[in-house]
Amino acid sequence: NAGVMQNPRHLVRRRGQEARLRCSPMKGHSHVYWYRQLPEEGLKFMVYLQKENIIDESGMPKERFSAEFPKEGPSILRIQQVVRGDSAAYFCASSPRISGGRETQYFGPGTRLLVL
Amino acid sequence: KNEVEQSPQNLTAQEGEFITINCSYSVGISALHWLQQHPGGGIVSLFMLSSGKKKHGRLIATINIQEKHSSLHITASHPRDSAVYICAVNTGTASKLTFGTGTRLQVTL
Repeated sequence: NAGVMQNPRHLVRRRGQEARLRCSPMKGHSHVYWYRQLPEEGLKFMVYLQKENIIDESGMPKERFSAEFPKEGPSILRIQQVVRGDSAAYFCASSPRISGGRETQYFGPGTRLLVL
Repeated sequence: KNEVEQSPQNLTAQEGEFITINCSYSVGISALHWLQQHPGGGIVSLFMLSSGKKKHGRLIATINIQEKHSSLHITASHPRDSAVYICAVNTGTASKLTFGTGTRLQVTL
C-alpha cells in the first residue's frame, strides 16, 4: 500500500511565479491536510479538505494561496505570485475518516519550495 | 504563549541512555500525537493517545489528561533515534493538528 505521495519533492521558483504542489493521499483516504514548516520553525496547519470540499481553511493566508481536492486526481496547493517568504517545506497528510478528531494522520515526504 | 509546549528544545544523550521528552498543552483536546521528523525531513507518526499509555518497541508514550501533560520515553537510546520529536494535538473535536516546536534529539556513541 503506497504511502502519501507528494510531488515535486523540490521546487524552485522566481518571485512572481506560480507554485503548484500535488498530494496523492493513501489509498482509501478521503481526508487531506496541508501543513507548512517555515525554516527553523514548527509545523503550522494550513487547510483541511475532503473530496470536492474545503472543510477548514483557517490557516491559509488570505491572498495568493488556494487549495483543492477534486473528485478525481490529487489535492493541489497553489501559490500565486510567490514571494521569498513562501520558501518552506509543505507537507501533506491524509487520514481515512474522522471520528471526533481522533485519527492518525499519515504524512507525505514534503515539497521543499525555494523562492529566488 | 503557544498552545503546545515541549521541553527540552534540544537534548543530547549517549547511546543506551533513557530519554524523556515532555509536552504540555493548555487547551481541551481529543487526542495527542507524537511524531518523529528525520534529518531528511520525513515525518512519521509514532503514537496517538487520548488516555493512558502506549508502548511500541523501545518507545513509550503516556498522557495525563487532568494535568494536560504527555511524555515520550525512549529506552536504550541509539544513534538512529536522532531526530526531531514533535508533539501535536487535536483541539476539541477539530481534525487539524496544532504542533509543538519540537525537541531535537541527538544520540551519540
